[in-house]
Amino acid sequence: AQTVTQSQPEMSVQEAETVTLSCTYDTSESNYYLFWYKQPPSRQMILVIRQEAYKQQNATENRFSVNFQKAAKSFSLKISDSQLGDTAMYFCAFMKLSGGGADGLTFGKGTHLIIQP
Amino acid sequence: NAGVMQNPRHLVRRRGQEARLRCSPMKGHSHVYWYRQLPEEGLKFMVYLQKENIIDESGMPKERFSAEFPKEGPSILRIQQVVRGDSAAYFCASSPLGQGAGNTIYFGEGSWLTVV
Repeated sequence: AQTVTQSQPEMSVQEAETVTLSCTYDTSESNYYLFWYKQPPSRQMILVIRQEAYKQQNATENRFSVNFQKAAKSFSLKISDSQLGDTAMYFCAFMKLSGGGADGLTFGKGTHLIIQP
Repeated sequence: NAGVMQNPRHLVRRRGQEARLRCSPMKGHSHVYWYRQLPEEGLKFMVYLQKENIIDESGMPKERFSAEFPKEGPSILRIQQVVRGDSAAYFCASSPLGQGAGNTIYFGEGSWLTVV
């Protein structure tokens, strides 16, 4: 079974600063996907970024980028030039690539990120 | 293109009643997943369905919970004889192909069940 650990229950930074959210995972799989989801106060789950484990290049999406360290099983999210709208719960998630299998996403417990004006 | 639609958004039930949560996947998506989020927790996988088939229900409690995705109409998550511990947010998600193919799944806005 896979586990995902987010060791920072809450973080707070000033607007425009850069912040990094940490995530580690444990798996015996070699092929998998990793995701960061954002859950704002509206509670909707919004995909932020996705990383395929077989790709060495770190994924980026505008102000969001990841630092994927496969050997260390680490998948941190960096948010540059943070904005008030980035305030949300952020969940790291793991998905096994099982060739048609039915495995669900495994989520961490989340990090509550607060952007201060 | 409408996203994943869930209803009701909020549902209050007394202990012992039944709760039915509905989910219409995104257009073109034939794979549906249900997740549960307890307070202060991340989402936990419950069940994965395709049309008329339950593919994996390993995350669903053995009793009182059932799910279906009929040929026509939305997917239904049914909770019988609800208890206070069932109070949670229930998220539906969908994808065009199975998760094993590495597809991103898209979430609905969730249904909040409160058992009083």
